[in-house]
Formats: sequence, C-alpha cells, structure tokens
Amino acid sequence: DAGVTQSPTHLIKTRGQQVTLRCSPKSGHDTVSWYQQALGQGPQFIFQYYEEEERQRGNFPDRFSGHQFPNYSSELNVNALLLGDSALYLCASSKWWGQVYTGELFFGEGSRLTVL
Amino acid sequence: QQQVKQSPQSLIVQKGGISIINCAYENTAFDYFPWYQQFPGKGPALLIAIRPDVSEKKEGRFTISFNKSAKQFSLHIMDSQPGDSATYFCAAATHGIDKLIFGTGTRLQVFP
Repeated sequence: DAGVTQSPTHLIKTRGQQVTLRCSPKSGHDTVSWYQQALGQGPQFIFQYYEEEERQRGNFPDRFSGHQFPNYSSELNVNALLLGDSALYLCASSKWWGQVYTGELFFGEGSRLTVL
Repeated sequence: QQQVKQSPQSLIVQKGGISIINCAYENTAFDYFPWYQQFPGKGPALLIAIRPDVSEKKEGRFTISFNKSAKQFSLHIMDSQPGDSATYFCAAATHGIDKLIFGTGTRLQVFP
C-alpha cells in the first residue's frame, strides 16, 4: 500500500519564477493538506482540499494556490517566487475531513524547494 | 495566540537516559495535542497524542504529561535509544478546525 507520494523531491528555481508541486494521497484517502516547513521550523498549514475545493486556508498570500483532481491527487502552485519561499513542502492526506483529530493524518516525504 | 512554544531547541542524551521536551500554548480552544517524530529526509509521523481530559498518556517508552491549568504539555522518552535520534514536534489542534499548529521542533541526539 503506497503512502503519500510527492514529486519532485528536490527542485531549484530563481526569484520570480513559478513552481508546481504534486501529491498523490495514500490509497483510500480523499483529503489533502499542504504544509510549508522552513529550515529549522515546524510545518505551517497552507491549505486543505476536499472534494476538489479549498476547504480552509492558513495565513499564506494568494501567490500560493492549489488544485485537487477527481482522483484526489493535488497540486500546489507558487507564483512570483521569493527567496523566503525556500522550504520543504509537505503534503498530508486523510480519509475525509476531521482526521487531524483522530491521528489518521499521513505525511509524505516532501518536496524541497530552493529559490535562488 | 495560535502559537505553540517548544523547548529545548536541541537535546543530547546518553543511551538509557530520559529525554524531556516541553511545549506551551495560549489558545484555550486547542483540544488535541499530538507529538510528531521526523527523521531526516522523511515527513513527520504521529508518535503519540493526548486530549485535555486526561493528565497523562503512556505508550511504551513514550509518555505525554498534560497540565491544563498551566497550558503546558511535555513528552518524556524513557530509556532513550540511538534510534530515537530525530526531530520531535509538538502540535495542537482544535476540534472542527482540521489543521495542526506545530511547535518549532527539538532535535534529539541519543549517544551510545
């Protein structure tokens, strides 16, 4: 049973560019959340997708956008990249909404983005 | 008020010793307090969690102590092993708001 898979694992971009990160949730899961983990910091919630809609959002600017596809996979897009966007971007999946509270939230290994 | 403060930033413990990591929060709406373990190159994985209706929860060598009045909770790792060397994050969540608020992490190194 494949867990949460993310791609690419590493990528380098320059300021002003745009990036797309991808996530395939764990089998049987239909809810995807994205977190940003800066070096030496804890993950910060970006947004969550369920039924192809953004259900809730953290304190991130509109440059951060996402999408969920009918097969439950998800993309995170970041426009006009800044140096401060350099971080590990984590995808987490769960079966339906509310699974943070039950512990049934599983993280992928992340995509490490470096902005030069 | 949404922050979770974690200490220490790093911790070095000898094999067989006790590792203690502390967290504090302000938001009284938090009602779920998990601890996550993260190895280099991996995503965080749930280790143990507690709800505020109990003061302590133990799973194997890992224990969470919770002090509701002080708004503090801590992770104790008994008989620490080199395999426990990882970064540990405390977190908090509110029922009905399906997101985790993480602390800043503690890098634990256990030496043989």
